[in-house]
Amino acid sequence: GEDVEQSLFLSVREGDSSVINCTYTDSSSTYLYWYKQEPGAGLQLLTYIFSNMDMKQDQRLTVLLNKKDKHLSLRIADTQTGDSAIYFCAESKNSNSGYALNFGKGTSLLVTP
Amino acid sequence: GAVVSQHPSRVICKSGTSVKIECRSLDFQATTMFWYRQFPKQSLMLMATSNEGSKATYEQGVEKDKFLINHASLTLSTLTVTSAHPEDSSFYICSITPPTSGRGAGNEQFFGPGTRLTVL
Repeated sequence: GEDVEQSLFLSVREGDSSVINCTYTDSSSTYLYWYKQEPGAGLQLLTYIFSNMDMKQDQRLTVLLNKKDKHLSLRIADTQTGDSAIYFCAESKNSNSGYALNFGKGTSLLVTP
Repeated sequence: GAVVSQHPSRVICKSGTSVKIECRSLDFQATTMFWYRQFPKQSLMLMATSNEGSKATYEQGVEKDKFLINHASLTLSTLTVTSAHPEDSSFYICSITPPTSGRGAGNEQFFGPGTRLTVL
């Protein structure tokens, strides 16, 4: 997704917090999503946030949304080695495609022991 | 359990042959399914929207005669890569949006596990 930007790589130590950042451009997106993809696998919806919210917390995951700056972040507390994967930020794509998603390029998270 | 299945999970074919990929909605009827393509270390790019009982809607730059989509029933959409070439080698993923009543995040999509196509 050329309109959704993410940093490509993040490395953290096990037990630390991870923060993955994303910027998007479509201010009319109703929902913003974080998906996780493990090697060779499909996409797993981790969490989402409605565009009129600033924050959403779901167990170890915290999503922050700054709508003014079109900035979205995902914080993973107490990161574990099993969290190593690619994380995609996505926005609703308002077009003739209905509710298709526009994805960022993904952030590769590496968690080291 | 899985909401969306894809078959096959992997396929290797010779250049010039055609390959059919199936996407099935296991839990509910899906009038709309989406097909994405993901190149190595790249994002998922929407290829087309598959509409049950009507023609698919293709994204700009996607050749409709090369990527044939058939959405013949409310639980099955197929993507056929015709006359495949090595540059078509990619990871193809389908997704569905469930009926909105009582489920998930409004526009939430469920993704299939993907099909890895390798064209020799």
